[in-house]
Amino acid sequence: QQPVQSPQAVILREGEDAVINCSSSKALYSVHWYRQKHGEAPVFLMILLKGGEQKGHDKISASFNEKKQQSSLYLTASQLSYSGTYFCGTETTDKLIFGTGTRLQVFP
Amino acid sequence: NAGVTQTPKFRILKIGQSMTLQCTQDMNHNYMYWYRQDPGMGLKLIYYSVGAGITDKGEVPNGYNVSRSTTEDFPLRLELAAPSQTSVYFCASSYSPQPQHFGDGTRLSIL
Repeated sequence: QQPVQSPQAVILREGEDAVINCSSSKALYSVHWYRQKHGEAPVFLMILLKGGEQKGHDKISASFNEKKQQSSLYLTASQLSYSGTYFCGTETTDKLIFGTGTRLQVFP
Repeated sequence: NAGVTQTPKFRILKIGQSMTLQCTQDMNHNYMYWYRQDPGMGLKLIYYSVGAGITDKGEVPNGYNVSRSTTEDFPLRLELAAPSQTSVYFCASSYSPQPQHFGDGTRLSIL
């Protein structure tokens, strides 16, 4: 039931791009993305409510393929501040189940 | 704005002891959640509430209890603490069925 994220970890140099994928075995109503820095609480990034919807926030954007029950998070021209663990959250009824997480490290 | 406030921030318990983790929010959110996060892992939903007087189980409810007597407060009760309950506990709230505001967490160790 827990959505699976890939890759598990990513190492980037500043300015490089990355894609994080989130897949669910169940039909999805929506997908949510969060970033968590070490020792801190998760921070909500964005929610995608419709199949095919794409959203962006600064240089971070996401897409949602309802038919494939997948979502992807795109990080463009990564910055040092992007480092952290990214979680997708998938809503199946009125509760959110978090994914396995992807650890992203950005180096100068 | 205070947002979501959790107390205590840290706690060490002995096996078999009980305690209540407090969570309060000042945003008038109907939805509130309790998650636990084990080291290097994602968040697991323990219990959630869609409004005062209404609670429901999440993925890992065993060993825990909750109550929601007011919109603001959503305490989590641990009965007979066990080493497997050592974790970081996050409370969250939202207007909609997706947690958008998290507290700073309670780091709990059971020895």
